[in-house]
Amino acid sequence: TQLLEQSPQFLSIQEGENLTVYCNSSSVFSSLQWYRQEPGEGPVLLVTVVTGGEVKKLKRLTFQFGDARKDSSLHITAAQPGDTGLYLCAGANRGSTLGRLYFGRGTQLTVWP
Amino acid sequence: DSGVTQTPKHLITATGQRVTLRCSPRSGDLSVYWYQQSLDQGLQFLIQYYNGEERAKGNILERFSAQQFPDLHSELNLSSLELGDSALYFCASSVDWGPGMNTEAFFGQGTRLTVV
Repeated sequence: TQLLEQSPQFLSIQEGENLTVYCNSSSVFSSLQWYRQEPGEGPVLLVTVVTGGEVKKLKRLTFQFGDARKDSSLHITAAQPGDTGLYLCAGANRGSTLGRLYFGRGTQLTVWP
Repeated sequence: DSGVTQTPKHLITATGQRVTLRCSPRSGDLSVYWYQQSLDQGLQFLIQYYNGEERAKGNILERFSAQQFPDLHSELNLSSLELGDSALYFCASSVDWGPGMNTEAFFGQGTRLTVV
């Protein structure tokens, strides 16, 4: 079983603060995806990282894939209340298991105004 | 709106019963995935169908079964329900084989199943 551990599990911060969420595994993944899920909704894809060491930016969000393709981080600059949600990382592989995503349990982020 | 439609949104049923969850994928998507989300387990992959055929199987119980029909919609059947089956069940779809191909999977809004 390929497990992804996310930390922290909960994060509660004030508007304007910076934060980093971590996603770690002992397994290598072909790619890693980050999702955001809001109450009553399904997860929505934010980004896919494929290459070890890759950094992708999406406005105030910066995503990094570890060199060994086992871990990833999500950094949010100047968080806003609209960033509140459950952030999930998910690993994917090619080969026989390319049809599935291995999800971490998520980081519940709350940004207070 | 992801374009993936799941019905019903909520379902309350008694232990021992059988229910069917339905999913219509995005137009043009050939793959359908089912995931279970519970507080203690997070999102767990259950099963994938591609163009009517089972392609990948995850942590799906023997009491659960799924199929994808010629019009590409899918149904997840849950039988002999137990209290522990209470969870959110998500359907997702993608255009090809799956996330391993670096394609995006689009999730529906889920069906919240409560077994009492």
